[in-house]
Amino acid sequence: GEDVEQSLFLSVREGDSSVINCTYTDSSSTYLYWYKQEPGAGLQLLTYIFSNMDMKQDQRLTVLLNKKDKHLSLRIADTQTGDSAIYFCAESLFHSGGYQKVTFGIGTKLQVIP
Amino acid sequence: DGGITQSPKYLFRKEGQNVTLSCEQNLNHDAMYWYRQDPGQGLRLIYYSQIVNDFQKGDIAEGYSVSREKKESFPLTVTSAQKNPTAFYLCASATGLDTEAFFGQGTRLTVV
Repeated sequence: GEDVEQSLFLSVREGDSSVINCTYTDSSSTYLYWYKQEPGAGLQLLTYIFSNMDMKQDQRLTVLLNKKDKHLSLRIADTQTGDSAIYFCAESLFHSGGYQKVTFGIGTKLQVIP
Repeated sequence: DGGITQSPKYLFRKEGQNVTLSCEQNLNHDAMYWYRQDPGQGLRLIYYSQIVNDFQKGDIAEGYSVSREKKESFPLTVTSAQKNPTAFYLCASATGLDTEAFFGQGTRLTVV
């Protein structure tokens, strides 16, 4: 079955780069996502990558995908205090019924130290 | 503005009572989902619906029920059969074949 794993906690200093890592088990994943959740709020999609891509860059965010190792990472450049949140890695699979089932990791809490 | 709305934001329920969480979207999405979030466990799928009048159980459907009478609405009922209902509930929608799921702001349910 699908399983997505990520570390629970990451602490970085303001201005440094943050790298959040994730591993997944299902090689037939179609899309891989990074979501951000601020306290008491829903999830906000930060970025996603197609499974046939290796890298995607969007402003301060860089996503790297290693399909061989089933490893996904999110790099946040010049991390700011406003980046403090929980970051969820997720994979989606398309089922025969035409829907996408999204499986989430446990979430990595990023703490940015001023 | 288009989006997905959950209400209420906070909900308290007495043990043994059923309670219904609302989820409405005006994004014209076919697919809608309900997830439950517990501390240290990430998100788990409760129910999903691909089209109107059709829905399927997710990974933890026991003690929950849903309906999908309208495309825009996918209410979740937490029944008294749910053993540990206190949690944060997130609703999401997607086109079904699109690349991203849009999430509501969540409802925090507390059973007292």
